Amino acid sequence: SQQGEEDPQALSIQEGENATMNCSYKTSINNLQWYRQNSGRGLVHLILIRSNEREKHSGRLRVTLDTSKKSSSLLITASRAADTASYFCATDASGGSYIPTFGRGTSLIVHP
Amino acid sequence: NAGVTQTPKFQVLKTGQSMTLQCAQDMNHNSMYWYRQDPGMGLRLIYYSASEGTTDKGEVPNGYNVSRLNKREFSLRLESAAPSQTSVYFCASSINRNTGELFFGEGSRLTVL
Repeated sequence: SQQGEEDPQALSIQEGENATMNCSYKTSINNLQWYRQNSGRGLVHLILIRSNEREKHSGRLRVTLDTSKKSSSLLITASRAADTASYFCATDASGGSYIPTFGRGTSLIVHP
Repeated sequence: NAGVTQTPKFQVLKTGQSMTLQCAQDMNHNSMYWYRQDPGMGLRLIYYSASEGTTDKGEVPNGYNVSRLNKREFSLRLESAAPSQTSVYFCASSINRNTGELFFGEGSRLTVL
């Protein structure tokens, strides 16, 4: 069963705009990760945020984590056409196997 | 540095046939995983191997078997393929089970007729 669920399922924006995706999960976690998947390719790790962290940055990516609301957001600033991809959050339930469980993903299209 | 390599990339099977998906990693990782990806379902864990010599069931293990041949290689076997096993299969590895970041292969696209 999916631990994390991304929202929205699909997002279409213009190049230069910001893209925000959200992830909600059900049980307490150790870590939350975001991955990107280009069409027909494998997943690529973007960023990991630990349960005791609230915000993390990596280049144009900003991830926030609110453990009280069991939610996370991924912000991509100044989007480029090359950011077109599906984005997945993955959580590992605390007290469990530490194996990441993936959501269904957000499909992002950035129009040039 | 190849990372995680999966073979074959594409395969078509008839119902009842068997096949093995191969996965190898060259990053000296201890943990390896098999996921399947279906439209609208995200990725679901089939089996994982936390370390060489151990394997454990994931969320959807029925119809599959795995072998952790050595530290580098983790294979997934379908003994009697069914149309419900039509999917894209991804192998992944991580330094250890609790270190978070997974490194994925490019996927193996399997169609069962």
